[in-house]
Amino acid sequence: KNEVEQSPQNLTAQEGEFITINCSYSVGISALHWLQQHPGGGIVSLFMLSSGKKKHGRLIATINIQEKHSSLHITASHPRDSAVYICAVAGAGSYQLTFGKGTKLSVIP
Amino acid sequence: NAGVTQTPKFQVLKTGQSMTLQCAQDMNHNSMYWYRQDPGMGLRLIYYSASEGTTDKGEVPNGYNVSRLNKREFSLRLESAAPSQTSVYFCASTYTGTGYGEQYFGPGTRLTVT
Repeated sequence: KNEVEQSPQNLTAQEGEFITINCSYSVGISALHWLQQHPGGGIVSLFMLSSGKKKHGRLIATINIQEKHSSLHITASHPRDSAVYICAVAGAGSYQLTFGKGTKLSVIP
Repeated sequence: NAGVTQTPKFQVLKTGQSMTLQCAQDMNHNSMYWYRQDPGMGLRLIYYSASEGTTDKGEVPNGYNVSRLNKREFSLRLESAAPSQTSVYFCASTYTGTGYGEQYFGPGTRLTVT
């Protein structure tokens, strides 16, 4: 079973700061997902990636398959970015995701 | 386009009662999933349906049953609720397997079993 570890567990940042959230996993995967969960509970998919880098607005996700590691970056952070960010990995041909426990981000004005 | 919808949003049950959580998607997705989310733990897969007519157990299936009623709908049934089933339940869907497409989540059902 894949083990997914996220760091840090909690993160407080000042508005405008550059933020990095890390995700490591133990077994080779076919894809990695980054999800966002706002207070109140809704879960939204931010990225799915299997190699390289993806960018959407102020969010950038990277993955290093050899090192079994992914990072989610937020540039020019804003209070509306305050949420829990969840990393999840999919095995090859799998219908199951293994989730990390999430990183709670608070951005202070 | 409503995406993934779930009913009910909140439910309180007494131990031993039964209930069905409903989920529907309008994105023509083939695969659907039921997860539970508990404090301090990551989301965990209860059951999934890779395609219409198939269902399979996930990580924590005990105490639950599912039905893939048609391509749009996937229900989760608790036959005899227990306090350990107090959780937030999320339904999700993808066009195909988790390695090939983004997951779309419903708004969740907050269930309390007393």
